[in-house]
Amino acid sequence: EAQVTQNPRYLITVTGKKLTVTCSQNMNHEYMSWYRQDPGLGLRQIYYSMNVEVTDKGDVPEGYKVSRKEKRNFPLILESPSPNQTSLYFCASSLQGANYEQYFGPGTRLTVT
Amino acid sequence: DAKTTQPNSMESNEEEPVHLPCNHSTISGTDYIHWYRQLPSQGPEYVIHGLTSNVNNRMASLAIAEDRKSSTLILHRATLRDAAVYYCILRGAGGTSYGKLTFGQGTILTVHP
Repeated sequence: EAQVTQNPRYLITVTGKKLTVTCSQNMNHEYMSWYRQDPGLGLRQIYYSMNVEVTDKGDVPEGYKVSRKEKRNFPLILESPSPNQTSLYFCASSLQGANYEQYFGPGTRLTVT
Repeated sequence: DAKTTQPNSMESNEEEPVHLPCNHSTISGTDYIHWYRQLPSQGPEYVIHGLTSNVNNRMASLAIAEDRKSSTLILHRATLRDAAVYYCILRGAGGTSYGKLTFGQGTILTVHP
């Protein structure tokens, strides 16, 4: 089944403790992206990747890192999480180009205390 | 980035057609118009997309104005399962501009039985 998976689905952590949220897709997509969703603010893009070893900032990249060493994986790294990073995070992927739809993962709900 | 404007909310009755508008007055000639929806407690899912011509698929129809400054997502017979937040976004086809995406807050569609 074609899908985007995220792990973990739920995470409660403390301020400053490094964490990684994994994202994996099995559709051989070149493009992958991370979003966060907060009440009243909609979906905001954090980082995206056009292909392996190619990443770029979205609208809200501060406090996050990403890497794209393999085509199928695009982990989101919070080196020193803070409470304002408490949010619902979505990963998405698509084929390369504007004429293709994105497939979204189920989301990761992160709480930083 | 070209931005879109949507009404905050709309209501419909079950089995009636629904027309969800989107304004994108700063659209460029190579921007594709994409629609996604997000059901409660789920990740966004693709609905439809188009460039210039009207488009139909099993989920919906997309009507694009001749000047491309606006578009309308049409759900031909709304069901309770169509209650969701609907997002209209632009995805640029020029070079690598398809990577950075701005979702906005979308339209909350309520469907009454």
